[in-house]
Amino acid sequence: QQQVKQSPQSLIVQKGGISIINCAYENTAFDYFPWYQQFPGKGPALLIAIRPDVSEKKEGRFTISFNKSAKQFSLHIMDSQPGDSATYFCAARRAGNMLTFGGGTRLMVKP
Amino acid sequence: SAVISQKPSRDICQRGTSLTIQCQVDSQVTMMFWYRQQPGQSLTLIATANQGSEATYESGFVIDKFPISRPNLTFSTLTVSNMSPEDSSIYLCSSLAKNIQYFGAGTRLSVL
Repeated sequence: QQQVKQSPQSLIVQKGGISIINCAYENTAFDYFPWYQQFPGKGPALLIAIRPDVSEKKEGRFTISFNKSAKQFSLHIMDSQPGDSATYFCAARRAGNMLTFGGGTRLMVKP
Repeated sequence: SAVISQKPSRDICQRGTSLTIQCQVDSQVTMMFWYRQQPGQSLTLIATANQGSEATYESGFVIDKFPISRPNLTFSTLTVSNMSPEDSSIYLCSSLAKNIQYFGAGTRLSVL
């Protein structure tokens, strides 16, 4: 019940394309769903986050879509750029402010 | 936001020894967390460290192996004790500020 499943494990997108990463969870007690971006040798950094009472949140080129009934959420990166090449983690927050992370998606944006 | 500094950034250690990782936050925070991340893998929570109380460990992690100190609101240490090659990993410190978890750059540990 604590798991967050993320797909795909890796993704290659052409510059200007749309990158889509999906996550699914089981625990309905999760109350906050952040996405983190991690570059090699760095710690994860918060990219965008959503609460389950909202179906979509957009910040610049990054959009989270949230389907509460399906217990799924996804990250869309519009107009993907080579600088977006990184590993992306979805996460879900449970009681005590503790995060459960998905398995990660390694994104490569080709010029 | 919170800026987190971890030391050392990397280390190579012999099996059977212990390593203490330090984590410094640039502001006072109530909650700090320690994670383990295998290279190319996801993050696994080791424990939550709140100032003034004992650390709370996740299933599979024990205090004897990963003792944690939290002496004040800006600092914490994680010790990896009696290391084996299976402990080779990246250890990340995190703090909670305004409901957002911020991460340090991590300590890359290799155990020979």
